[in-house]
Amino acid sequence: GNSVTQMEGPVTLSEEAFLTINCTYTATGYPSLFWYVQYPGEGLQLLLKATKADDKGSNKGFEATYRKETTSFHLEKGSVQVSDSAVYFCALSGGAGGTSYGKLTFGQGTILTVHP
Amino acid sequence: SQTIHQWPATLVQPVGSPLSLECTVEGTSNPNLYWYRQAAGRGLQLLFYSVGIGQISSEVPQNLSASRPQDRQFILSSKKLLLSDSGFYLCACHSITGELFFGEGSRLTVL
Repeated sequence: GNSVTQMEGPVTLSEEAFLTINCTYTATGYPSLFWYVQYPGEGLQLLLKATKADDKGSNKGFEATYRKETTSFHLEKGSVQVSDSAVYFCALSGGAGGTSYGKLTFGQGTILTVHP
Repeated sequence: SQTIHQWPATLVQPVGSPLSLECTVEGTSNPNLYWYRQAAGRGLQLLFYSVGIGQISSEVPQNLSASRPQDRQFILSSKKLLLSDSGFYLCACHSITGELFFGEGSRLTVL
């Protein structure tokens, strides 16, 4: 079945530092890939997505590229801010077998804390 | 645009008591609806999904059940809560652009 493995956290950075959160996946076929963000006490919000190989999703300065050859979808940001402190989840859906689009498989989440 | 309302936002219940978490969706019709659980320190696990009124699919065996009495209403229930049912419960549906859209969540603590 599908699975997502995320970089273990927590990650602590100073403001303006470079961020990378690794995500690799296992799936048959051609899944869609997502990064969701969860701010303290809130539900999840979609941060960015990519639906096919070599697509780059981007939003709010964050980027991730769908790499089929390495089955990865690493999240990056060139200069983090205190307001980026949150939990980040990598997820996939779809692939072979006609899996429902909404049945996402999530990684375990990575806690990011950014200090001033 | 779609809006998902979940209530209660926070709930503290004793072991063995019943549970009812409600989710309603606005701004869409015939949505696929989902219940996810986020246990402390862990990722999200899909519990149930529904493609229509009265249609429920369970993803994992557990102490919980779900019902969909109306097109835009999705309810998560239990007859007798266990300590392991504690967690953050998220209701979700597809957004108009196809990705999953989540509600604000209901935090359940079982003591």
